[in-house]
Amino acid sequence: AQSVSQHNHHVILSEAASLELGCNYSYGGTVNLFWYVQYPGQHLQLLLKYFSGDPLVKGIKGFEAEFIKSKFSFNLRKPSVQWSDTAEYFCAVMTYNQGGKLIFGQGTELSVKP
Amino acid sequence: EAEVAQSPRYKITEKSQAVAFWCDPISGHATLYWYRQILGQGPELLVQFQDESVVDDSQLPKDRFSAERLKGVDSTLKIQPAELGDSAMYLCASSSQGIAVGETQYFGPGTRLLVL
Repeated sequence: AQSVSQHNHHVILSEAASLELGCNYSYGGTVNLFWYVQYPGQHLQLLLKYFSGDPLVKGIKGFEAEFIKSKFSFNLRKPSVQWSDTAEYFCAVMTYNQGGKLIFGQGTELSVKP
Repeated sequence: EAEVAQSPRYKITEKSQAVAFWCDPISGHATLYWYRQILGQGPELLVQFQDESVVDDSQLPKDRFSAERLKGVDSTLKIQPAELGDSAMYLCASSSQGIAVGETQYFGPGTRLLVL
């Protein structure tokens, strides 16, 4: 069965620090890849997605992610975090043999200290 | 900006009782999803509708859970009887097509269920 693994359960950073959240998936076929974010008290919202083309994708609020097919990875990065980035981040995979179903990782909680 | 609506936002019930959750997707979205998110985990798909038809309910515990989308618009998810292990956040999402390349799912605020 397909699965998504996020390397860190909880990350604590100071403002202006750089961020990298790891995400690996297990599936050998064509995939769409997503990062969703859930700010405290708010619903899940799309941060960025990859479906084809340039493996480096840029999202909202200065986030970017790189798809490395050979490593089955889709890591999320931001060069300088802000206190307002405090949230839970979910990596998700959509495979074409499962009719649009999103498979989520377990999430990474990011806490940014002011 | 159009949003997915869900109600209620919170529900407390006793085990063996029946509960129901409602979802209204973004207007025009053909595909509707119900996910369950247990605390500390990512969402897991329970059921997927394409218009009024069920596309995937392989992870839906059919002995106690049921879902319907009678007119292909809003949807109801029911649990009867509720068990302690059903305590979770129930999320509804919608997308315009479902499996189109790069299709994005838009999520509602969720219903947090606590079973006592």
